[in-house]
Amino acid sequence: SQTIHQWPATLVQPVGSPLSLECTVEGTSNPNLYWYRQAAGRGLQLLFYSVGIGQISSEVPQNLSASRPQDRQFILSSKKLLLSDSGFYLCAWKRKSGANVLTFGAGSRLTVL
Amino acid sequence: AQKITQTQPGMFVQEKEAVTLDCTYDTSDPSYGLFWYKQPSSGEMIFLIYQGSYDQQNATEGRYSLNFQKARKSANLVISASQLGDSAMYFCAMRRLNYGGSQGNLIFGKGTKLSVKP
Repeated sequence: SQTIHQWPATLVQPVGSPLSLECTVEGTSNPNLYWYRQAAGRGLQLLFYSVGIGQISSEVPQNLSASRPQDRQFILSSKKLLLSDSGFYLCAWKRKSGANVLTFGAGSRLTVL
Repeated sequence: AQKITQTQPGMFVQEKEAVTLDCTYDTSDPSYGLFWYKQPSSGEMIFLIYQGSYDQQNATEGRYSLNFQKARKSANLVISASQLGDSAMYFCAMRRLNYGGSQGNLIFGKGTKLSVKP
């Protein structure tokens, strides 16, 4: 069966510090991978998605970047965090064909102080 | 442009009763999928149910059913026999099925917070 892991689960960082959130998927190959952000009390906003290694598409211009160094690894980064980067970050994966369902990780809660 | 609208910010239901969470959508594409996700306080997004635009019958998954009314562009979630563990945020989402790239990505409504009372 397939599983998706995100870490860290919780992170408190000062303004101006770097960020690295990691996401890995097990039990499948060549998935589509996604990073979403959820601000407090709001819906999900798609930040980045990837259809393969090194292929990153950005949906929203911002202070963040994403990378996919391996087939099942997706990393969300920032060189200098802003207060507005606080939120709940969710990684998700989907098969390229067949099932249309997006499966999410448990999320990473980031607080920038 | 695609849009998902959930007009109920919060809902209350008595334990063991049924509840309907509303969702309307807007798209001009003939092929799309509709999804409902549950987000408990832990934050994880849990997939509940899926309905394709060409599916003839309403989707059902255990206590969850999707009341799909294509002409009205609505995809309401019905939870039967509510349980205390059903208390959570519920999100409706849609994806265009014939598109890849950003045009085929999942878009979400703002969610409905369901509280089940004992």
